[in-house]
Amino acid sequence: DIQMTQSPSSLSASVGDRVTITCRASLSIDRHLNWYQQKPGKAPKVLIYAASSLQSGVPSRFSGSGSGTDFTLTISSLQPEDFATYYCQQSYNTPHTFGQGTKLEIK
Amino acid sequence: QVQLQESGPGLVKPSETLSLTCTVSGGSISSYYWNWIRQPAGKGLEWIGRIDTSGSTDYNPSLKSRVTMSVDTSRYQFSLRLSSVTAADTAVYYCARDRGSGNYLDYWGQGTLVTVSS
Repeated sequence: DIQMTQSPSSLSASVGDRVTITCRASLSIDRHLNWYQQKPGKAPKVLIYAASSLQSGVPSRFSGSGSGTDFTLTISSLQPEDFATYYCQQSYNTPHTFGQGTKLEIK
Repeated sequence: QVQLQESGPGLVKPSETLSLTCTVSGGSISSYYWNWIRQPAGKGLEWIGRIDTSGSTDYNPSLKSRVTMSVDTSRYQFSLRLSSVTAADTAVYYCARDRGSGNYLDYWGQGTLVTVSS
């Protein structure tokens, strides 16, 4: 299985901050990397697919980059509704493994 | 608007089989992969597996010996069976659609909590 490692595991930030979350794959996954946002009690929601493609309806303050083994999710200016847990997922090989998650909290 | 809805027992006894169904509405069931993902309380997401409408499956090797997925295109449903459950299988179970092209999960059910307990 491909292991996905996110960092940090948790992060405190303020409204308006620029935030970056990283995800590293245990082997090259080309650009087969997706990012999801999950709020408490809710299903995850896709933000970014194929490393850098913004899902329809997702605000442009979210962006993704990377290829191979190293990827980033950036939120350019945090909004109150962005405080949530973020997961990366590789879709290069099955099983389509997830990272352990990054909890973004209000400072 | 595509909607997915999980259904099934919320309580399963140890050693028995967990059975869940996901009903798809508002869109086609064809030409997609249909996935199951689970999440124990307070923990991360675990991909269980997927099935396409031809019945072809991919399972997580960690669960493969206990998992069976099926699809009924006429009823717009797909199903998960997990045998020989233990308390470690207690989780919220989600069904989700895999876009196929790009392989990302674009529609999810709301999730259903399954507790394994006697």
